[in-house]
Amino acid sequence: DSGVTQTPKHLITATGQRVTLRCSPRSGDLSVYWYQQSLDQGLQFLIQYYNGEERAKGNILERFSAQQFPDLHSELNLSSLELGDSALYFCASSVAGSGRGSDTQYFGPGTRLTVL
Amino acid sequence: AQSVAQPEDQVNVAEGNPLTVKCTYSVSGNPYLFWYVQYPNRGLQFLLKYITGDNLVKGSYGFEAEFNKSQTSFHLKKPSALVSDSALYFCAVKEDSNYQLIWGAGTKLIIKP
Repeated sequence: DSGVTQTPKHLITATGQRVTLRCSPRSGDLSVYWYQQSLDQGLQFLIQYYNGEERAKGNILERFSAQQFPDLHSELNLSSLELGDSALYFCASSVAGSGRGSDTQYFGPGTRLTVL
Repeated sequence: AQSVAQPEDQVNVAEGNPLTVKCTYSVSGNPYLFWYVQYPNRGLQFLLKYITGDNLVKGSYGFEAEFNKSQTSFHLKKPSALVSDSALYFCAVKEDSNYQLIWGAGTKLIIKP
């Protein structure tokens, strides 16, 4: 158990809908990262937050957005969902993330999103 | 630009034999290298990392990795494979000046009894 929690574990929804995925980082970690893992594209970095502020953006679609709250939990919002958005969505957390190379990311169990 | 390659999509090893999962990288500065494992329907688990110092890094579950600067490689190894080692293995690299981990495509390791 990494100490990172994600809810829900599974989510089934329809095209065009909007969903929110939630992540609670390990105690003491200030950074949260979101990743998408699909069968044909491997692990794709979406976005990082550090202590409430956006720190880095990866391959995140405009239909997707995220935020980190004062208690450091984070939410990933996916809207206007398409069939291709079906994937595993992982959250990871780390202590710093402020450019320290040795900082280790610890992953949550993921949310499996199925768009029908 | 940073990059990392895992040249093998799949590695098959007999139980009890040594295993190697390959990883090569490209960075302009000093690398920080990581190995993660993903079991079916689970999140990624951190195995080990190289920061500096000894080229041989020991990690969880009996795994180790050897940093080779001249060959820009960071291969994951285990002396004696277990069936339970069957999983997807990811290598990742970052530079100190860059916030982001760059991930390899993953290597599926299959250990046959």
